[in-house]
Amino acid sequence: DQQVKQNSPSLSVQEGRISILNCDYTNSMFDYFLWYKKYPAEGPTFLISISSIKDKNEDGRFTVFLNKSAKHLSLHIVPSQPGDSAVYFCAASHSGTYKYIFGTGTRLKVLA
Amino acid sequence: NAGVTQTPKFQVLKTGQSMTLQCAQDMNHNSMYWYRQDPGMGLRLIYYSASEGTTDKGEVPNGYNVSRLNKREFSLRLESAAPSQTSVYFCASSEGYPNTEAFFGQGTRLTVV
Repeated sequence: DQQVKQNSPSLSVQEGRISILNCDYTNSMFDYFLWYKKYPAEGPTFLISISSIKDKNEDGRFTVFLNKSAKHLSLHIVPSQPGDSAVYFCAASHSGTYKYIFGTGTRLKVLA
Repeated sequence: NAGVTQTPKFQVLKTGQSMTLQCAQDMNHNSMYWYRQDPGMGLRLIYYSASEGTTDKGEVPNGYNVSRLNKREFSLRLESAAPSQTSVYFCASSEGYPNTEAFFGQGTRLTVV
């Protein structure tokens, strides 16, 4: 049973445009959500997070939105740059367990 | 500051062989994790250790054992490797408090033939 789902395996956008990556979750106990970026042959690196008490968190070009009623979060990258081309993983945790459950990832390709 | 260090980076095993993947972190983190990454499956949690002296099963623990040797080190053992365990393995650590992120190592690419 996949508790964290990323239904789009891949996404291509033009440089300078907005990239929107989506993530859905099923476990209502999750209270902290994270996005990671992964380049080939490297480990995932933390990008941005959001607590369930918020509905938006922004860090430079990256904004994460959380819709708790829909159990949905999204990552917006504006403007997209070729260096953003990577696999993006959504992850979720809840404070009672200390473990992180990841989605299957979305491969983003930003076209120059 | 090295962060999370995994050894080896690459390994080829024959079916039935055993091996231990090593992981060490220098961030004084309480919690440590082992994940495997497979195409189309994302990152799946194998085992984790919330704090020194404790270990718990994750989503896909079968065929693996772990040891939290001390606060710094968390090893993953394959007792009898199978081709289905061909994967990229990532170790991670976190402070172990709510609303904190995990930091990952560079990964170990394991092939079982």
